[in-house]
Order: sequence, then structure tokens, then C-alpha cells
Amino acid sequence: AQSVTQLGSHVSVSEGALVLLRCNYSSSVPPYLFWYVQYPNQGLQLLLKYTSAATLVKGINGFEAEFKKSETSFHLTKPSAHMSDAAEYFCAVTGTASKLTFGTGTRLQVTL
Amino acid sequence: GAGVSQSPRYKVAKRGQDVALRCDPISGHVSLFWYQQALGQGPEFLTYFQNEAQLDKSGLPSDRFFAERPEGSVSTLKIQRTQQEDSAVYLCASSRDWMNTGELFFGEGSRLTVL
Repeated sequence: AQSVTQLGSHVSVSEGALVLLRCNYSSSVPPYLFWYVQYPNQGLQLLLKYTSAATLVKGINGFEAEFKKSETSFHLTKPSAHMSDAAEYFCAVTGTASKLTFGTGTRLQVTL
Repeated sequence: GAGVSQSPRYKVAKRGQDVALRCDPISGHVSLFWYQQALGQGPEFLTYFQNEAQLDKSGLPSDRFFAERPEGSVSTLKIQRTQQEDSAVYLCASSRDWMNTGELFFGEGSRLTVL
């Protein structure tokens, strides 16, 4: 079985500051890991994915994440936050062909 | 269309009514998923289709929930005798090559409110 834990349901950063959203996973098989973003009243959009190639994954909008097997982590970062980054972010894992399991989400607030 | 289309976007039902939610996946996408997202929660898996075959329905919460995809394209999620706990956003997602890419494209969801 696979699961993810997102630490912090709400994160607030100043515009221009580093964004760090935490995700730890549990998987009985080598995992595929994902970060999705959800803007209000919109569907989930894929930010980036790890599928056992490079451990440092770059995504859209300047986000990146690093797969660390020893720490079972896949934290999402962005060097400089922008107001438009305010949204809900979901970490997700799959280890089988049929199911993507999501975390409970982290709401990112960006302040001036 | 260019993306996954879901209808209706909003549905209000009285407790006990039956509802049907429709999903039009991206053309050519063989994999189709339904998820349920309660307020303030992450999406929870309901069911998965590969073409017209329903390969996994382990997430359907009760026998009141039924999904179909008879021609391997449009899918319908049906909820019979709705209950207040069924209130949620129902998300549909599709993929051309899920097993290799692991990438899903999500619709905007159908928000169901049961009174």
C-alpha cells in the first residue's frame, strides 16, 4: 500500500521568499511521486513528477522537488514565491498501475 | 475539447435522490479515473477504467455508487439514494498512457451538495 503525509496544512510566505512544502511517502514498491496544484474552482494541474529517473525533478512555474529515498521524502521547493503561487498543493504517490493516492494538501499563502 | 470536461459543474440534490455525473475525457485517453474530494481534503480514489473495462472499483464507498464507461470514452458516475455524506467534489481524470507516464489530466469537477 502507498500513502503520503503532507506536513503543514497551511504555509504562509512572503513574496520573494523560499517556498518549501513537505511531503513524506510510504510505499511497499518503488514509488512514482507527483506534485499537483489546485487553484480555486479549477481542476488539479500536474506540477512535476518523479518516475525513477533523476532524483531532482524540475517542474512548471519554477518549482522543483528532490526524491530522497533515505528520508522517504519528496519536498517541493521554489526559490522565490510569487503572488500567483497561492493555491492548494497536493503530493501524491503511486506504486501500482491503478491508483494515485493523494495527501491532504497544503494551502500556500503568499503575502506582500 | 482540449481538456477533460465534467457536467454538471454544480448539482444540488435532496437526500434520497439519484444523481448522475458525466465525464468526457480527452480524446484518445484510454485510462479514466474518478475521485471524490471532500471539503478540505485531498482527492480519494473511487474507481478506474481502462477503455470500457472497470479494472478497480475498490474505492467506491457503498453499493449506492456505480460507474460505467460503456464505449470506452464518456463515463458516468451514478449515486443512488444520495446521503448528506455524499456531498463533495467529484473529479474525473484521464490519461493516454497512465502505466508509462503516470500523468493524469483532471477536469474541474462536479460539486455535489446533498440537502
